[in-house]
Amino acid sequence: SAVISQKPSRDICQRGTSLTIQCQVDSQVTMMFWYRQQPGQSLTLIATANQGSEATYESGFVIDKFPISRPNLTFSTLTVSNMSPEDSSIYLCSVEVIQGAGEQYFGPGTRLTVT
Amino acid sequence: AQSVAQPEDQVNVAEGNPLTVKCTYSVSGNPYLFWYVQYPNRGLQFLLKYITGDNLVKGSYGFEAEFNKSQTSFHLKKPSALVSDSALYFCAVRDFSGAGSYQLTFGKGTKLSVIP
Repeated sequence: SAVISQKPSRDICQRGTSLTIQCQVDSQVTMMFWYRQQPGQSLTLIATANQGSEATYESGFVIDKFPISRPNLTFSTLTVSNMSPEDSSIYLCSVEVIQGAGEQYFGPGTRLTVT
Repeated sequence: AQSVAQPEDQVNVAEGNPLTVKCTYSVSGNPYLFWYVQYPNRGLQFLLKYITGDNLVKGSYGFEAEFNKSQTSFHLKKPSALVSDSALYFCAVRDFSGAGSYQLTFGKGTKLSVIP
């Protein structure tokens, strides 16, 4: 498995501002992922963060809204830009520790509320 | 496209009784199947997975799941429920068709309540 930390754990932000969420892993991993979990909903994949290349975004998510950085094999950031109340969600990062093994391990999440 | 269905929003079971949380899936290729548990205000914890081999998979905390290809199901089971098992359970699938997609598709979750 892996130990994954996220900062901040929660935040309350004003409409129109941006928030950057950090994800730190205790080991080097190839694949990192960002998910959104809206209140009472399931998880939706936002993007796959690849080290040394652009992130790969899922349908309905765009780089201008959710820019992602992956400067090394243990760290990634997700920015939620120009926020609106609809962005209020839990944002989770995950990693695939052993490439190809299939299971992903998740961070504790960042609970974002936009007012 | 891949999808997962968890037909029950909530399952209630008495402590000590067996529990089952249902999951059915749809993929075009061979499935990787997973169960995760989410406790309140916590991230998701990996419970178990099926990739290939024995249809009965054993995982953490005494949970097991049975892969049934003909019924495209992967139900989560435990012989004797504990109050501490009360949580939100997610089934997930990945289509390992060899195309290199790492996307996990999650079901909407089933809230398990174990009654003392």
